[in-house]
Amino acid sequence: SAVISQKPSRDICQRGTSLTIQCQVDSQVTMMFWYRQQPGQSLTLIATANQGSEATYESGFVIDKFPISRPNLTFSTLTVSNMSPEDSSIYLCSVEWEETQYFGPGTRLLVL
Amino acid sequence: GDSVTQMEGPVTLSEEAFLTINCTYTATGYPSLFWYVQYPGEGLQLLLKATKADDKGSNKGFEATYRKETTSFHLEKGSVQVSDSAVYFCALSEDSNYQLIWGAGTKLIIKP
Repeated sequence: SAVISQKPSRDICQRGTSLTIQCQVDSQVTMMFWYRQQPGQSLTLIATANQGSEATYESGFVIDKFPISRPNLTFSTLTVSNMSPEDSSIYLCSVEWEETQYFGPGTRLLVL
Repeated sequence: GDSVTQMEGPVTLSEEAFLTINCTYTATGYPSLFWYVQYPGEGLQLLLKATKADDKGSNKGFEATYRKETTSFHLEKGSVQVSDSAVYFCALSEDSNYQLIWGAGTKLIIKP
């Protein structure tokens, strides 16, 4: 399986600021995904990020709020922009590897 | 559209009890089915998967059988431990983008 790391593991931020989350995988992968998991909830897909193309956003998520970069086959970033307390969640990246998604440990974000 | 329905939690059991967490799905084609586990404060780990009807996925004493006739993928374990306390997610993947459709998650609490 692919091994995925995320930075930071957690953060406390002030409203109106932005946070960039990094996702690093130990193998070259085509497809990476970004999810949000609100407290006590299931996962919601934010966007799919394929290297060499623009990220594809799901309904309810826009690029201005959640810009994504995918500069190479092992790395991606998700920025949470102009944060509000409603953005307090766990943010997870995942990768597709042998027809299965594997997840990073998540970034726990609290916005005050 | 495709969907996944899991039994509601929390499920509370005593150590060494038999575990069943029900999962049923609706899909237009022939999806792959997954169980993921999320331990407290951690990301998601793939627990097991099955890619075609009658396949049995197994890992760490957990099993689930892909039942096409009942559109089910119930998770079972013969003797649970306190360390199995976690949230369990059932998911399916049908399209070529490997996107996952998630169940709501079932919290499992094992008491010593």
